[in-house]
Amino acid sequence: AQKITQTQPGMFVQEKEAVTLDCTYDTSDPSYGLFWYKQPSSGEMIFLIYQGSYDQQNATEGRYSLNFQKARKSANLVISASQLGDSAMYFCAMREWGYQKVTFGTGTKLQVIP
Amino acid sequence: DAGITQSPRYKITETGRQVTLMCHQTWSHSYMFWYRQDLGHGLRLIYYSAAADITDKGEVPDGYVVSRSKTENFPLTLESATRSQTSVYFCASSETDEKLFFGSGTQLSVL
Repeated sequence: AQKITQTQPGMFVQEKEAVTLDCTYDTSDPSYGLFWYKQPSSGEMIFLIYQGSYDQQNATEGRYSLNFQKARKSANLVISASQLGDSAMYFCAMREWGYQKVTFGTGTKLQVIP
Repeated sequence: DAGITQSPRYKITETGRQVTLMCHQTWSHSYMFWYRQDLGHGLRLIYYSAAADITDKGEVPDGYVVSRSKTENFPLTLESATRSQTSVYFCASSETDEKLFFGSGTQLSVL
């Protein structure tokens, strides 16, 4: 079974608009962390934001926020005020503390339109 | 320089040949990982290691061998390369429960 599901292979957003990238996960481990990474066309993997399963508040890092809904097992990334430089692949990932494996989704390609 | 480095950056080989991809980190992180990235599949875990001499299989381990005799090195070997192993390979390291730090990747083509 897929542990991390990203259902949007590609998305477009207008510059300066907000966009939500979806991520759902599946685990029976009560302790886990959720991560988002950005991969621009140059290929490097850039860490964006982290949410722990016990964190009470949604994580925020500048223009990035993570909409964490534990009961629904979703961890959507929200990018506010999109910029042209946000055009990239975005990957959601989960680390279960028991196994310490890190599983990635298939990614969402975001294109920001001027 | 501190960080995680992969070598080579690009590699072309032929089917049946043995290939080793190198990964070196300077942080003394406990965990190291190997992923392959293919269109439509995202990043898939090949092997990971919790410490020197401790390795475990990921989702797609067949055809790959790893070793970790020293904390800082985690080489990945394709014992007999196949065309289906053409991919971009990423090495990563981390501490327990922490985020992953990635290398720049190795683009491997098997002809």
